[in-house]
Amino acid sequence: DQQVKQNSPSLSVQEGRISILNCDYTNSMFDYFLWYKKYPAEGPTFLISISSIKDKNEDGRFTVFLNKSAKHLSLHIVPSQPGDSAVYFCAASAGTGNQFYFGTGTSLTVIP
Amino acid sequence: DAGVTQSPTHLIKTRGQQVTLRCSPKSGHDTVSWYQQALGQGPQFIFQYYEEEERQRGNFPDRFSGHQFPNYSSELNVNALLLGDSALYLCASSLTPGQGHGEQYFGPGTRLTVT
Repeated sequence: DQQVKQNSPSLSVQEGRISILNCDYTNSMFDYFLWYKKYPAEGPTFLISISSIKDKNEDGRFTVFLNKSAKHLSLHIVPSQPGDSAVYFCAASAGTGNQFYFGTGTSLTVIP
Repeated sequence: DAGVTQSPTHLIKTRGQQVTLRCSPKSGHDTVSWYQQALGQGPQFIFQYYEEEERQRGNFPDRFSGHQFPNYSSELNVNALLLGDSALYLCASSLTPGQGHGEQYFGPGTRLTVT
């Protein structure tokens, strides 16, 4: 039972444009969400997080939006750079320090 | 500042054998979680260790067991290996449960192949 879903396996974007990666979840108890970036042969790297008390969190070129009523979150990367090419995973947990549930990932390719 | 380290990098085992994977957490972290990532999938939570005890467990059989040492490092043991156990095994460390927001920092993983 996949509680966190990333329905787009891949995404291609031109350098300088916006990349939007989407994630849906089913468990209404989830209250903390993270995005990770993963390069080949490396472990996932923490990118940005958001708690359910907020609907937006920004960190430089990265912004995460949370729509609790739709059980949907998205990661916006503006402007996209070739170095952003990686697999992006969203993850969710119910309560701080509890296990994270991961989506299946979206492979982003930024074309120079 | 040393991040999360894992050993070995790669491992090949035969069905029925046993394997032990090792993890050292990021400096300042005392909680270790283990994940299994099959090809094309996201990481699946196996279990989490804190204060040398298993604190949480995912939906994995008892063949998967672990241990945490006083220096916070951890081991993952898998007995009676099956072909389906072939995967990337990721270790993640974090602060004490309840401190911070629970962000987990991952190591590079151990690629296990069962033949």
